[in-house]
Amino acid sequence: AQSVTQPDIHITVSEGASLELRCNYSYGATPYLFWYVQSPGQGLQLLLKYFSGDTLVQGIKGFEAEFKRSQSSFNLRKPSVHWSDAAEYFCAVGARNFNKFYFGSGTKLNVKP
Amino acid sequence: NAGVMQNPRHLVRRRGQEARLRCSPMKGHSHVYWYRQLPEEGLKFMVYLQKENIIDESGMPKERFSAEFPKEGPSILRIQQVVRGDSAAYFCASSPPGAPDTQYFGPGTRLTVL
Repeated sequence: AQSVTQPDIHITVSEGASLELRCNYSYGATPYLFWYVQSPGQGLQLLLKYFSGDTLVQGIKGFEAEFKRSQSSFNLRKPSVHWSDAAEYFCAVGARNFNKFYFGSGTKLNVKP
Repeated sequence: NAGVMQNPRHLVRRRGQEARLRCSPMKGHSHVYWYRQLPEEGLKFMVYLQKENIIDESGMPKERFSAEFPKEGPSILRIQQVVRGDSAAYFCASSPPGAPDTQYFGPGTRLTVL
């Protein structure tokens, strides 16, 4: 069965510190992986996606993610967090035909000044 | 180019009433997806539609829920005889033809059932 696990419900980091948000997935075929960000009261915005090729993908706003097949992980990273990055982050896995996405339960990021 | 539009943004219904949620995809997009987000949870897929066709409704509850995407006009998610458990945020996403991997999300409709 397909599933996505984000083990950290809340994370607090200081502004300027590095960030890593964890994502593990269970999927029966080659996964298509995504990270989205949701600001309060808003819809989701795509940060980055992985389909194939280089396992380190770059996204918008200085984010990157690394696909590790052996660990079934797709962790999101940012070297230096800004206060505006405070939001909720969702990892998702897509079916090959993109009929549907499976989302994790989200990680809420708080940024301390 | 306007983004995905959803209305209303907030909807309050009493138990037993009907709720109609509308989604206007981005211009040129022919694929629409509906998701439900319960409090403190991630988004759960409900249904995937193309113009006049339901492609995948495996996430839709068997009763009271229906969706359509007519040839003209917005996509509609309809919930009949709402119950308190239907209270959630409902998000619509759209994608262009040939690029279903990139879904653009609307701001959501927050449904509250009293």
